[in-house]
Amino acid sequence: GAGVSQSPSNKVTEKGKDVELRCDPISGHTALYWYRQRLGQGLEFLIYFQGNSAPDKSGLPSDRFSAERTGESVSTLTIQRTQQEDSAVYLCASSLDYPQGDKNIQYFGAGTRLSVL
Amino acid sequence: AQRVTQPEKLLSVFKGAPVELKCNYSYSGSPELFWYVQYSRQRLQLLLRHISRESIKGFTADLNKGETSFHLKKPFAQEEDSAMYYCALSGISGYSTLTFGKGTMLLVSP
Repeated sequence: GAGVSQSPSNKVTEKGKDVELRCDPISGHTALYWYRQRLGQGLEFLIYFQGNSAPDKSGLPSDRFSAERTGESVSTLTIQRTQQEDSAVYLCASSLDYPQGDKNIQYFGAGTRLSVL
Repeated sequence: AQRVTQPEKLLSVFKGAPVELKCNYSYSGSPELFWYVQYSRQRLQLLLRHISRESIKGFTADLNKGETSFHLKKPFAQEEDSAMYYCALSGISGYSTLTFGKGTMLLVSP
């Protein structure tokens, strides 16, 4: 596709339910990132994929959060037993990676707005 | 640990006025610094990076290692500059990822 695609664009869920957010990166981008953007806050790094492996998952806030990537393409971020504090916009970004390109030039999706009631 | 500080949540100026969005960083080494921008209803995107040393949309930013700053400047603000601006830092490690500041909302009034 032309850009990073995220789905759904909006998700409303009840506290305690599990949710799954999807990210389709730009074709050929080996690096993929998930960020969280709470209202009035900056971008909070969650996890970084290099291919299908995650060398840096230090930003995942708790064991309720997990992410996977398959085929060096699609990634899913899963939040189990959602809490109200999980309400945020979840952004996905992709980039080329060394040595093919510069991973610091990240291309962002439009985000998934998650509301936990 | 690497850290990016943007002290202003909101900066409001009139059209034609100079703009300076402040960014300070903490990193033990030689980082690479970036400014990303998010216009209303658009995606977050790269505006400029310090190694390019170029002006984008009239904006410039100089890395000051002595003051550990990377302030974004424009001599004459335009209404279309209104957006959320994020300063970001990357370390030198191959696994290093971008660390973003909390962002500054720039509002340019007519």
